[in-house]
Amino acid sequence: EIVMTQSPATLSVSPGERATLSCRASQSVSSNLAWYQQKPGQAPRLLIYDASTRATGIPARFSGSGSETEFALTISSLQSEDFAVYYCQQYNHWPLTFGGGTKVEIK
Amino acid sequence: QVQLVQSGAEVKKPGSSVKVSCKASGGTFSRNAINWVRQAPGQGLEWMGRIMPIFGRANYAQKFQGKITITADISTTTAYMELRSLRFEDTAMYYCARDRDGGRPSFDFWGQGTLVTVSS
Repeated sequence: EIVMTQSPATLSVSPGERATLSCRASQSVSSNLAWYQQKPGQAPRLLIYDASTRATGIPARFSGSGSETEFALTISSLQSEDFAVYYCQQYNHWPLTFGGGTKVEIK
Repeated sequence: QVQLVQSGAEVKKPGSSVKVSCKASGGTFSRNAINWVRQAPGQGLEWMGRIMPIFGRANYAQKFQGKITITADISTTTAYMELRSLRFEDTAMYYCARDRDGGRPSFDFWGQGTLVTVSS
């Protein structure tokens, strides 16, 4: 099973600042990686798929990068609605696996 | 617009079973796989398995083999997840989620979640 490791566990950022979240795979997943945002009491929302393609309706301040084993999600200028937990997910190998999440909180 | 609506919260005894439904509207139900993902309280996301309705074939994470059955009824555009031999640690929010159109399995639409509580 592919283990996805996200860092940091918690990221404290001020509104308007840039945030970079990391996701590492235990072996190559090519570009078969997605990012999700989850707010309290809500289902996750797809932000990025294929490592760098924004899902429908996702603002341009969200961008994804990386391939193989190292990936990043960047939020260029944090808005109040962006404070949430973010998960990466690989879909190159079965079983599909998620990272443990990064909580982005207000500094 | 695609919408996935799940059945309501359940409270179950240890050793019993639960069956959660996920009704899809919009889109083409048979062509997109439906996945089940669970989230224990305060924890991360865990993929359990999926079904492609057009084929009626499911595949499961090894951890859940023998404990879970996922089915789909094309006539009612509803997917089901049955979890057996419930234990306290099966207490979680259970989500259904649809594969994105035409691509590899990332999930573009999610149900609202069904809370399953296992309690004696």
